[in-house]
Amino acid sequence: GIQVEQSPPDLILQEGANSTLRCNFSDSVNNLQWFHQNPWGQLINLFYIPSGTKQNGRLSATTVATERYSLLYISSSQTTDSGVYFCAVEGNSGGSNYKLTFGKGTLLTVNP
Amino acid sequence: DVKVTQSSRYLVKRTGEKVFLECVQDMDHENMFWYRQDPGLGLRLIYFSYDVKMKEKGDIPEGYSVSREKKERFSLILESASTNQTSMYLCASSPWSGSNLNTEAFFGQGTRLTVV
Repeated sequence: GIQVEQSPPDLILQEGANSTLRCNFSDSVNNLQWFHQNPWGQLINLFYIPSGTKQNGRLSATTVATERYSLLYISSSQTTDSGVYFCAVEGNSGGSNYKLTFGKGTLLTVNP
Repeated sequence: DVKVTQSSRYLVKRTGEKVFLECVQDMDHENMFWYRQDPGLGLRLIYFSYDVKMKEKGDIPEGYSVSREKKERFSLILESASTNQTSMYLCASSPWSGSNLNTEAFFGQGTRLTVV
């Protein structure tokens, strides 16, 4: 099945710093999503971005489908940005349809 | 707003008990999913369903079964709970990709199950 790799696995920032999280995937995709897992464990939708660029406040994301990667940018980070960020993809070849395959996540810690 | 609701946030069960985890979505989504999340292993798909009464095994179906009698409800069943099923369980729903260009998935709040 499709493979998803996220980097870096851990990231520590000072408040106000910018960061880039990367997601590489091994096959063409129908769907790519970025999530933030809150302290209670719920996955919060950040972006649905199978291709192109989107922005939402201090967060933006770019997916280059032809090169099989996506980037999540966090600008002017705040302590509330801390947590685990997941990339998840839905492949468009047999056996991968419908379901999301997750990367292992990036644990972001923003210190005051 | 899309809403996926799981019946319990926390659950403690005894070894050997039959356990039901319930999930309801209000967006008329065709697809529903059950994942479990474990430290170091990430999120893994247990089962999914793309229609009422239809189900497909995911990556780790052993020890689990599912039921989808109505479109909005997807139940995960642990036939005989064991301690290695202690985990965080996450339910999700999404539109069918064949009928919709947007297949964004939404997750419930999660159920932390402890089997003692």
